Amino acid sequence: ETGVTQSPTHLIKTRGQQVTLRCSSQSGHNTVSWYQQALGQGPQFIFQYYREEENGRGNFPPRFSGLQFPNYSSELNVNALELDDSALYLCASSLAGGTGAYNEQFFGPGTRLTVL
Amino acid sequence: AQSVTQLDSQVPVFEEAPVELRCNYSSSVSVYLFWYVQYPNQGLQLLLKYLSGSTLVESINGFEAEFNKSQTSFHLRKPSVHISDTAEYFCAVRPVGGYQKVTFGTGTKLQVIP
Repeated sequence: ETGVTQSPTHLIKTRGQQVTLRCSSQSGHNTVSWYQQALGQGPQFIFQYYREEENGRGNFPPRFSGLQFPNYSSELNVNALELDDSALYLCASSLAGGTGAYNEQFFGPGTRLTVL
Repeated sequence: AQSVTQLDSQVPVFEEAPVELRCNYSSSVSVYLFWYVQYPNQGLQLLLKYLSGSTLVESINGFEAEFNKSQTSFHLRKPSVHISDTAEYFCAVRPVGGYQKVTFGTGTKLQVIP
């Protein structure tokens, strides 16, 4: 059983560019969540995808968008990059069950994005 | 909405001494509670969790945390720390039911001094 993987590990972009980050969920998981962790801060929830649809979003602008594919892997896209987008981007996968059921999230190692 | 407060941004402690990392939370609904650990340049690892039942939960490496509902706290403790415990620790909450949004605190850097 493989864990959550993310690519690339590091990325450098310039302001105004667009970026795509990728996440492969743990085998058997159908839910992926994305988090942004700025330097010296705790992770902030961006959004969550369940069975290829966004089913929850944090306080991030529309230029942050995502996709989930039939194999439950996911992409995070950020348009019109700003300097403040520099952060570690984490994805977490889980198996969502019935209402109220606890399902553990497993985090990937993250992608470090630097915007110059 | 939920919020998590970790008052101590850094905690230096000598090796083999006890440590407590404080965490308080606010939520209008029932929550699950977590402690995560993050080593330099790595992702998050779940250290321990409180879901229900006994308010004292333990990890395999000697950490424990106690859920106190009246004080809305979930402090992390270890009776004797090791150099390898040097890391950043995040307290987090997640609503029971609904989608799986985790709200994290700002983290506490534990620095174990030899």
